[in-house]
Amino acid sequence: ETGVTQTPRHLVMGMTNKKSLKCEQHLGHNAMYWYKQSAKKPLELMFVYSLEERVENNSVPSRFSPECPNSSHLFLHLHTLQPEDSALYLCASSQDGSGSPEAFFGQGTRLTVV
Amino acid sequence: GENVEQHPSTLSVQEGDSAVIKCTYSDSASNYFPWYKQELGKGPQLIIDIRSNVGEKKDQRIAVTLNKTAKHFSLHITETQPEDSAVYFCAAGYRDDKIIFGKGTRLHILP
Repeated sequence: ETGVTQTPRHLVMGMTNKKSLKCEQHLGHNAMYWYKQSAKKPLELMFVYSLEERVENNSVPSRFSPECPNSSHLFLHLHTLQPEDSALYLCASSQDGSGSPEAFFGQGTRLTVV
Repeated sequence: GENVEQHPSTLSVQEGDSAVIKCTYSDSASNYFPWYKQELGKGPQLIIDIRSNVGEKKDQRIAVTLNKTAKHFSLHITETQPEDSAVYFCAAGYRDDKIIFGKGTRLHILP
C-alpha cells in the first residue's frame, strides 16, 4: 500500500471511554500528521510532528492528545469525546527538508462516538 | 494563512468525456500544488503535482495547469473511465510547509 498503516480501521466508543489510534510509517519519513475528515471539513489538519516534536496544533480540543514516541510511530489518544467527533481520522507522513513535501496517507480510522 | 477553494463540489461526467476541477489559492508564496485522489475506504493518494516553475504537467490522461498570476490551478482528466470515480482534493503549500487542502470534488463517471 502506501507505507503508512493505521489501526484500528474502525472504532466505536462511548463518550466516557478512553481509546488510542495508532499510526506507523515504513517510509523513513521525519514528519507525521493527523487529519480529521468529515462532511463539514473534508481534510482538516489537527497536529504536525517534525523530528518527533509537535510543530503544529490547530486549535484542537484537549480531549485529543497526540503522542510521537519516535519518527515511525504516531498516536492519537482520545478521551471524553463528543458525538460530533465522529469522523475518519487520517494519518500521513512526509520527508521535511527534502524539497518534496508529498504526503503519504494511511487508510484512516473510522471513529464513531455513541 | 493559506486558503484553498475548490470547485465544483460534485461533478458528473459521461464515460469517455473530459472532467475539469478548478482550485484557487490565496498565499502567493505557495509553490507546490499536489492533487490527491481518494477512493472509497482508502486514504488520499497523490496522483499528480506541479511546482510554480512550470505552467502545465501531463501524465497520461491526467494534466494539471497552473496560473500563478491569477493564483489558480486545474486538474484535467481526459477519456474518463469508471475507475476515475472518486473524490479529488487539490492542495497548496510552500516547500516543506504544511499543505492546505481544498474541500474536495466528488467525481461520478456515468456509464
